[in-house]
Amino acid sequence: GENVEQHPSTLSVQEGDSAVIKCTYSDSASNYFPWYKQELGKRPQLIIDIRSNVGEKKDQRIAVTLNKTAKHFSLHITETQPEDSAVYFCAASMGYSTLTFGKGTMLLVSP
Amino acid sequence: SAVISQKPSRDICQRGTSLTIQCQVDSQVTMMFWYRQQPGQSLTLIATANQGSEATYESGFVIDKFPISRPNLTFSTLTVSNMSPEDSSIYLCSVRQNQETQYFGPGTRLLVL
Repeated sequence: GENVEQHPSTLSVQEGDSAVIKCTYSDSASNYFPWYKQELGKRPQLIIDIRSNVGEKKDQRIAVTLNKTAKHFSLHITETQPEDSAVYFCAASMGYSTLTFGKGTMLLVSP
Repeated sequence: SAVISQKPSRDICQRGTSLTIQCQVDSQVTMMFWYRQQPGQSLTLIATANQGSEATYESGFVIDKFPISRPNLTFSTLTVSNMSPEDSSIYLCSVRQNQETQYFGPGTRLLVL
């Protein structure tokens, strides 16, 4: 089955800096890669996703890149703000299959 | 996106008892899932709730411990049976409206004493 590795497990940045979280997947058939943000005590929220027919997708300060050859995808957050502090989870799936999640990255943005 | 609600939002239970968690969606969805999230951990899929048939369980989870119902396209229940302290966790309902996009409910925080 699919295996998703996520790095780093924790990431501390200063407000205004950029943050990058990386994930690798094992199943070359995977074609859908969402990212979730989970604030303390809250539900995971879908913040951006990418499908394997594109290499990059942006939404304001957030972008995701996908390298199908290397089987890795990354979340980029620019101009970080304290409210970006949360745990971020990557995931991968193929078609109607279930999502396989990474172990999460705790992002701390210091003012 | 679909609006998902769960009841109860939290509960404290005695070992040996059972708790049924309800998940209600405001629109029909193709797929419903139940996840468990232990403190500081990732999301672990318990099972896929199938409408009109038995749920599909992941490795390590069995129907006798986690019976699931899905009587229609907007509602599902998860029962945690014969609870022990190891069952203390957050239980999350999740739904898909189309092929891939998946959303989570607010979760049920369970503490077993």
